[in-house]
Amino acid sequence: EIVMTQSPATLSVSPGERATLSCRASLSVRSNLAWYQQKAGQAPRLLIYGASTRATGIPARFSGSGSGTQFTLIISSLQSEDFAVYYCQQYNKWPLTFGGGTKVEIK
Amino acid sequence: EVQLVESGGGLVQPGGSLRLSCATSGFTFINYNMNWVRQAPGKGLEWLSYISTISTTIYYADSVKGRFTISRDNAKDSLYLQMNSLRDEDTAVYFCARVRGPLVVVNDYWGQGTLVTVSS
Repeated sequence: EIVMTQSPATLSVSPGERATLSCRASLSVRSNLAWYQQKAGQAPRLLIYGASTRATGIPARFSGSGSGTQFTLIISSLQSEDFAVYYCQQYNKWPLTFGGGTKVEIK
Repeated sequence: EVQLVESGGGLVQPGGSLRLSCATSGFTFINYNMNWVRQAPGKGLEWLSYISTISTTIYYADSVKGRFTISRDNAKDSLYLQMNSLRDEDTAVYFCARVRGPLVVVNDYWGQGTLVTVSS
């Protein structure tokens, strides 16, 4: 199976600052990569698919990039509601696999 | 409004069985593939199973293959997960999720989850 590795595990950022999250795949997943946001006690929310396409209703401050094995999610200016855990997921090959998550916390 | 509501979770002994349901509304269920995903306490997300629109294609994660069975009833707009031979490590919140599209196997809508606790 394709192993997804996210870094860092925890990211401490001040409100208004930029956050850069990374996701690496053990094999190429082309652009078949999604990002989700999950807040405590809630279901995940789809942010990005196709590596860079924002899902419906997702603010422009969220942007995704990358292809192959290296991907990045950037939150350009962190808002209070953005502090959460972020997961990447590949859908290039079965089984679908998620990264271990990056927790974005308030600095 | 798209809604997915899981039910059927609870406390079960190791080796026992449970059937989860996911009732959907707000979209044409028969047009969408569906997934089950779980999350153990304090852990990340784990994909479990996928079913296509008319159940012709089904996939399972190795961790549940042979023990869990996914199914759907398009007349009832509902998705199911039959879980047998449950183990301690199956303790998790179980989410049903709608798949965005046939070639874009990402989950665009999720239920709130149902907790399954496997313990003696």
